[in-house]
Amino acid sequence: QQQVKQSPQSLIVQKGGISIINCAYENTAFDYFPWYQQFPGKGPALLIAIRPDVSEKKEGRFTISFNKSAKQFSLHIMDSQPGDSATYFCAASDNAGNMLTFGGGTRLMVKP
Amino acid sequence: DTEVTQTPKHLVMGMTNKKSLKCEQHMGHRAMYWYKQKAKKPPELMFVYSYEKLSINESVPSRFSPECPNSSLLNLHLHALQPEDSALYLCASSRQWGNYGYTFGSGTRLTVV
Repeated sequence: QQQVKQSPQSLIVQKGGISIINCAYENTAFDYFPWYQQFPGKGPALLIAIRPDVSEKKEGRFTISFNKSAKQFSLHIMDSQPGDSATYFCAASDNAGNMLTFGGGTRLMVKP
Repeated sequence: DTEVTQTPKHLVMGMTNKKSLKCEQHMGHRAMYWYKQKAKKPPELMFVYSYEKLSINESVPSRFSPECPNSSLLNLHLHALQPEDSALYLCASSRQWGNYGYTFGSGTRLTVV
């Protein structure tokens, strides 16, 4: 059972455009939602994270939008740059000691 | 120091070999994890150590043997692996087991021949 569903699997965006990646979860006990960025040959790096008591969090060009009632959250990358080309994973966990559950990943390519 | 360091970066081993992967962190994190990642897939949890004790084993074959000698070190001992075990092996740590931000290492790219 895939507890965190991520879409799209791949995304091509022009430089300067907005990249949007969506995730949906099933477990209502989840209370921590991070996004990870992974470059080829490297481990995932924490990009930004949100808790369900806020609907939006912004850090630079990266914004998480969170809809608790719909059990959905999304990552928006504004002014996308070629250096943003990477695989992005959403994830979720709860404070009962459950493990970090990853979405399937989105391969983003930003064209110059 | 805000890093998780993994060695070696690359490893090629035969199916009869014994090798070990090493992971080190000096952030004072008390939870450490081993993940396996196949190409174009998300990381899959293998083991969790919390306060140096094995807390989770996600039904990993016994040819993978984890060890946590102290709060900063995590090893993964490999023996009699199969070609399908070839993958990127990631170590991660977090302040506590559960919902805190994980810091991942760069991984060891393992090839079993």
